Amino acid sequence: DVKVTQSSRYLVKRTGEKVFLECVQDMDHENMFWYRQDPGLGLRLIYFSYDVKMKEKGDIPEGYSVSREKKERFSLILESASTNQTSMYLCASRLGSTPSGANVLTFGAGSRLTVL
Amino acid sequence: AQKITQTQPGMFVQEKEAVTLDCTYDTSDPSYGLFWYKQPSSGEMIFLIYQGSYDQQNATEGRYSLNFQKARKSANLVISASQLGDSAMYFCAMREDSGYSTLTFGKGTMLLVSP
Repeated sequence: DVKVTQSSRYLVKRTGEKVFLECVQDMDHENMFWYRQDPGLGLRLIYFSYDVKMKEKGDIPEGYSVSREKKERFSLILESASTNQTSMYLCASRLGSTPSGANVLTFGAGSRLTVL
Repeated sequence: AQKITQTQPGMFVQEKEAVTLDCTYDTSDPSYGLFWYKQPSSGEMIFLIYQGSYDQQNATEGRYSLNFQKARKSANLVISASQLGDSAMYFCAMREDSGYSTLTFGKGTMLLVSP
């Protein structure tokens, strides 16, 4: 089974700190995604990457950046954390963008970030 | 306009009964896919079922079936014979096959199954 591992399950940071959320997948998937999940808002796409060193903005990229230097690793960076970035962050990966029922997103367990 | 609408913030069902979770979608793309995910209290997102826009038959996976009504743009999830372990948050999502084929999620429905 594909495994998507998010390095930190819970983080507490202070306003203004630089925060790194790491995500690693072990099945050679091309596509990787970062979502944030907030009560009543569902999942919203922050950034995604279709291949190494490629990145695209999602629906809510402001205040975030990403890095994908290796195929298996996709990092989400909060350059200067703010309290409104307190949220659950979910990383996901999939094989590619082929329209197919077999090509589903596999998610990590999530990283719950609190910014004080 | 929202691309995925889940109008039920919460649903209650008794064990062993069937329940339908509603999902409507909005797209002009002729090719798309519809997904349902389950998120238990542990937080991990679990894929349940998929329906492609060109699929003629409704998708089924064990106790899960997807009631796909293309003309009405609805993709309701039906869970038969509910179990206590079905208590979770359920998300409907759509992939539009033009562009980058990213997934757009609804706001979710919390399902509680009582004994």
